[in-house]
Amino acid sequence: QTVVTQEPSLSVSPGRTVTLTCGLTSGSVSPTFYPSWYQQTPGQAPRTLIYNINIRSSGVPDRFSGSILGNKAALTITGAQADDESDYYCVLYMGPGIWVFGGGTRLTVL
Amino acid sequence: EVQVVESGGGLVKPGGSLRLSCAASGFTLTNAWMSWVRQAPGKGLEWVGRIKSKTDGGTIDYAAPVRGRFTISRDDSRNTMYLQMNNLKTEDTGIYYCTRVNYAAFDVWGQGAMVTVSS
Repeated sequence: QTVVTQEPSLSVSPGRTVTLTCGLTSGSVSPTFYPSWYQQTPGQAPRTLIYNINIRSSGVPDRFSGSILGNKAALTITGAQADDESDYYCVLYMGPGIWVFGGGTRLTVL
Repeated sequence: EVQVVESGGGLVKPGGSLRLSCAASGFTLTNAWMSWVRQAPGKGLEWVGRIKSKTDGGTIDYAAPVRGRFTISRDDSRNTMYLQMNNLKTEDTGIYYCTRVNYAAFDVWGQGAMVTVSS
């Protein structure tokens, strides 16, 4: 069974850049997986950040960007801010009709 | 404003049943693909299932842990989607989110409905 992998935790200093990744235990992430990214703060519903690899959802600041780096999907935060401290989840469309979330990355800004 | 609102959560004993509702507003459910996503306490997000729009065939798919126990349906006249959960297990405990599917992603989220399965 293929598992979607994410870094369990990362930290970044304010103003610096951090990249979160989303991979597979078997194989590479390609555009056909339509990777998307979500931000969740404690007690809140998830918020959609990026879909279809690199398209920002409405209202999402341009410091958030998505890409495929090597064999993984990636979410890059350029110029991290204190309120970016959250849990971040990726999800991959495994097709047909099946989605699998990664375990999430807890991002600390300090 | 485009939004979805879940209702119907609660406490149920193992083996019991519960039905969640998801009322959509600001868009027509007829043309939308919809999904349920859940989150166990202190854990990550887990995709539960998806229903396509009628115009795209209305196909329903489920994640393996709920297949055969959960049923997704829709009433387009009420602009509402449902999640019927039968034979509930303690591991089904969590917040259940209704989401809209767009470009193979989940672009609209409700605030969630809490389901607690406990004796």
